[in-house]
Amino acid sequence: SQQGEEDPQALSIQEGENATMNCSYKTSINNLQWYRQNSGRGLVHLILIRSNEREKHSGRLRVTLDTSKKSSSLLITASRAADTASYFCATDARQGGSEKLVFGKGTKLTVNP
Amino acid sequence: DAGVTQSPTHLIKTRGQHVTLRCSPISGHKSVSWYQQVLGQGPQFIFQYYEKEERGRGNFPDRFSARQFPNYSSELNVNALLLGDSALYLCASSLFGSLNVLTFGAGSRLTVL
Repeated sequence: SQQGEEDPQALSIQEGENATMNCSYKTSINNLQWYRQNSGRGLVHLILIRSNEREKHSGRLRVTLDTSKKSSSLLITASRAADTASYFCATDARQGGSEKLVFGKGTKLTVNP
Repeated sequence: DAGVTQSPTHLIKTRGQHVTLRCSPISGHKSVSWYQQVLGQGPQFIFQYYEKEERGRGNFPDRFSARQFPNYSSELNVNALLLGDSALYLCASSLFGSLNVLTFGAGSRLTVL
């Protein structure tokens, strides 16, 4: 089952524009992470935000977290063609003594030069 | 420093066969997680091992099994392959448990004919 759901499923923008992706989740979390995946490759960790944080920055990335709405957003400013990739949110889940990171279906971002 | 390495990178099997996928974590990382990613979907959690013990299991049939060796490398085995097992299999390592930041390998692309 997918805990997080990203929105939109696909996003196409021009270089230089900002890209915003959203993630909604269902159960309470300790932290939320965002990952990036270039076509058919492994995922790369971008940023982790803890449940007691509301906003976090890393370079051109800005992540917000609203635990009351169970949602997060990832903003990429001044996008570049190299930002073209799929972006996934991941939330921690504990079930019957098992711990795991649960990924959403992802947002496919295309940045046109 | 070597990242997470997976082998083989690509393989083709026929229905009913079995497959073994291998993963070497980053040096010092004691946790290994396995994910299955079907085309167009997010990664689905299969297993997590920490200090050679299974700490988490996803919703996969018993045809899927895994183990972690004393050097923290890991194997994922899938028996009686089905067409639906065709996917990218991702291994990720982390310092501690699976709820921390994951470093992914490039994946093993399995095609079942």
